[in-house]
Amino acid sequence: DAKTTQPPSMDCAEGRAANLPCNHSTISGNEYVYWYRQIHSQGPQYIIHGLKNNETNEMASLIITEDRKSSTLILPHATLRDTAVYYCIAPTSGTYKYIFGTGTRLKVLA
Amino acid sequence: GAGVSQTPSNKVTEKGKYVELRCDPISGHTALYWYRQSLGQGPEFLIYFQGTGAADDSGLPNDRFFAVRPEGSVSTLKIQRTERGDSAVYLCASSLMDGEAFFGQGTRLTVV
Repeated sequence: DAKTTQPPSMDCAEGRAANLPCNHSTISGNEYVYWYRQIHSQGPQYIIHGLKNNETNEMASLIITEDRKSSTLILPHATLRDTAVYYCIAPTSGTYKYIFGTGTRLKVLA
Repeated sequence: GAGVSQTPSNKVTEKGKYVELRCDPISGHTALYWYRQSLGQGPEFLIYFQGTGAADDSGLPNDRFFAVRPEGSVSTLKIQRTERGDSAVYLCASSLMDGEAFFGQGTRLTVV
């Protein structure tokens, strides 16, 4: 897997956009970037993934830089329920072994 | 069911005992994964099945750990001679061949 690095923690005010960065400078051209989150005592929840183009779904947007060495997950209007640990993962192409790391602990503040 | 189901949700066992943890994947998902998560850490890969065969078991910590998926659906993670260090949340996930993985809620194993 490409090594990913994330800040250990972030705070965000409720209703504001939460922007979570991830560096993956060693990513290969065919390796996707996946984002998951884990709310306390639950299993990881899939959020979004992308390769080159920016992606958007009902949960979030994913912005990938042109050189693909970093990405940002955007939660457009954070709510208290978005408080969780967010993981950025770049599994080696052709394998499905996710290396989670320690993620970013996002705390949404009322 | 709609999601990945893991049973039991909690398991307490004595050191040295044998335990089995069960995973029911999402119907139609050919790939199945087991992960282990210790307190304060991210999930750690254990084993990956594609169909009935273990395509990658490189994450199993030692030969006390074994997993099967005999019919390509339900999987069982088996731990022999449990040790206190095996205490963790064991997570199962499933996916389509080229799809993202969906995780269950996990089994919390406590070895006393």
